[in-house]
Amino acid sequence: AQSVTQLGSHVSVSEGALVLLRCNYSSSVPPYLFWYVQYPNQGLQLLLKYTTGATLVKGINGFEAEFKKSETSFHLTKPSAHMSDAAEYFCAVSTQGAQKLVFGQGTRLTINP
Amino acid sequence: DTEVTQTPKHLVMGMTNKKSLKCEQHMGHRAMYWYKQKAKKPPELMFVYSYEKLSINESVPSRFSPECPNSSLLNLHLHALQPEDSALYLCASSQESSGGYNEQFFGPGTRLTVL
Repeated sequence: AQSVTQLGSHVSVSEGALVLLRCNYSSSVPPYLFWYVQYPNQGLQLLLKYTTGATLVKGINGFEAEFKKSETSFHLTKPSAHMSDAAEYFCAVSTQGAQKLVFGQGTRLTINP
Repeated sequence: DTEVTQTPKHLVMGMTNKKSLKCEQHMGHRAMYWYKQKAKKPPELMFVYSYEKLSINESVPSRFSPECPNSSLLNLHLHALQPEDSALYLCASSQESSGGYNEQFFGPGTRLTVL
């Protein structure tokens, strides 16, 4: 079985500062890892994903994440926060052929002017 | 077309009403999903259809009845709901791949309020 832990239900950063959202996963088989963003009253939009290959993955809106197998982590970063980044972020894990996505509890990102 | 559409956007219903939520995708995906999302929580999986057959039912109460008329459409029929069923209902779709990952594409959701 898989599980995801997102450290910090709420993260607040200043505009222009580094964004770091933490995600740790548990999986007995090689995982597929995803970060989704959800703006208020909207659906989930895929930011980026790790399947195989390069462990540093780049996504939309300047976000990137690094898969670290030894640390079972997939933290999301962005060098410089923008006001439009304020949203809820979900980390999720899946495995080969699996129909289910296992979500973390989410992290609400607030950007201070 | 890389979009999942959902109608209606908002729905208010009484506990004795019958209503339906609709989801549509034209990406050729063969797996479709219903999720329920309460405020400040992650989506909770309700149902999965694979090749138009129900493959996962996460012990959802019978007042929620899914239907997949064809590979592009997914409905969720609602009857005798309770106020605690008020939530954002999300539809998603994915390729059905037994050998790889199934990236899910989400629709914008239907905001349901049960009075």
